Amino acid sequence: GDSVTQMEGPVTLSEEAFLTINCTYTATGYPSLFWYVQYPGEGLQLLLKATKADDKGSNKGFEATYRKETTSFHLEKGSVQVSDSAVYFCALQAGTALIFGKGTTLSVSS
Amino acid sequence: GAVVSQHPSWVICKSGTSVKIECRSLDFQATTMFWYRQFPKQSLMLMATSNEGSKATYEQGVEKDKFLINHASLTLSTLTVTSAHPEDSSFYICSAKKDAQNEQYFGPGTRLTVT
Repeated sequence: GDSVTQMEGPVTLSEEAFLTINCTYTATGYPSLFWYVQYPGEGLQLLLKATKADDKGSNKGFEATYRKETTSFHLEKGSVQVSDSAVYFCALQAGTALIFGKGTTLSVSS
Repeated sequence: GAVVSQHPSWVICKSGTSVKIECRSLDFQATTMFWYRQFPKQSLMLMATSNEGSKATYEQGVEKDKFLINHASLTLSTLTVTSAHPEDSSFYICSAKKDAQNEQYFGPGTRLTVT
């Protein structure tokens, strides 16, 4: 069945460092891909999405490109801030259901 | 906006009792809502899809008689964990889909602890 694998955390970075969180997926067909973020004490929020191959989703300085050839959707940000500390979930959607990765905790220190 | 609330945010109950969790879409109508379960350091697992005015659709392996879902209005879905046991302790998260859109909006989750 469809699945999402993302890198284990926690990821600990200093402010202004470069961030990459890897995400790969297995799916039949052509799913839509998402990154969600969960700040402490809050619900999941959609960070960005891409609906077809080679699409690039971007928001708040974060980017991810839908790579069909490598079945990947890695999340990147050029310069992280303390306020980016949160748990990040990669997900795919084929049909109605969302399938999530396990989440990666990012901790950014000043 | 698209705000989804859950109540309670945390609950402790004794083994054998039932507990109800509410999921509300505060500023939009949601014909479809979803219930997820999350174990520590695990991904969110879809339990069921809740459709207003009809029976919920449960994922394989989820006991429909144990996890009762009621979606009686366009802004409210409830999940009742019946005869709860310690293994039901988990983080339950709901989401709601705006009608005519594909995006899901998530609630903050409910932490259930069964003693």
